[in-house]
Amino acid sequence: KAGVTQTPRYLIKTRGQQVTLSCSPISGHRSVSWYQQTPGQGLQFLFEYFSETQRNKGNFPGRFSGRQFSNSRSEMNVSTLELGDSALYLCASSPIVDSGWMFFGSGTQLSVL
Amino acid sequence: EDQVTQSPEALRLQEGESSSLNCSYTVSGLRGLFWYRQDPGKGPEFLFTLYSAGEEKEKERLKATLTKKESFLHITAPKPEDSATYLCAVQAVSNFGNEKLTFGTGTRLTIIP
Repeated sequence: KAGVTQTPRYLIKTRGQQVTLSCSPISGHRSVSWYQQTPGQGLQFLFEYFSETQRNKGNFPGRFSGRQFSNSRSEMNVSTLELGDSALYLCASSPIVDSGWMFFGSGTQLSVL
Repeated sequence: EDQVTQSPEALRLQEGESSSLNCSYTVSGLRGLFWYRQDPGKGPEFLFTLYSAGEEKEKERLKATLTKKESFLHITAPKPEDSATYLCAVQAVSNFGNEKLTFGTGTRLTIIP
């Protein structure tokens, strides 16, 4: 069974640009969550989607947005990039909504210059 | 606000030297506590879920325990392949009535051959 797939693996952008990250969950998993990981802050929750609906959102500015498609694949978008957005962005899928039992992808490493 | 604190931040052990990692938490309405392992360049990998004080779970050289205020991850006779960052996460009911998962910043464990 294929795991959670995130693309691209690495991204380099400049301030002010926007970026879209993609996540394909494990087949059959309808819950997808996104996290930002930095050395100082650890994993910070961005949002969770289930059946194309955003169920929960973390404390991030509106520049961070996401969506989920009917096949459960998800994308997150960050507009007007800032230097502080440099981080590892992790996607996780779960067969159960609102669950701490999740399967993570390897992440997208975003560097903002 | 929910808080999860892991200690120590980093731990170096000789191969075979047993020790424990700590995860203390302050949440209202604990629904579950989760342990994950993260290797460099990869996403976290699920290890255990604990739901109530007194509960214990074991997997190979790892044993997780839970009290009302903290959880311990005991590592018995570790091997170099146990080197990783160990993350603790607490699930609680948020102010909006849905589930919220809060991660600690992790303990970076190094096992020296």
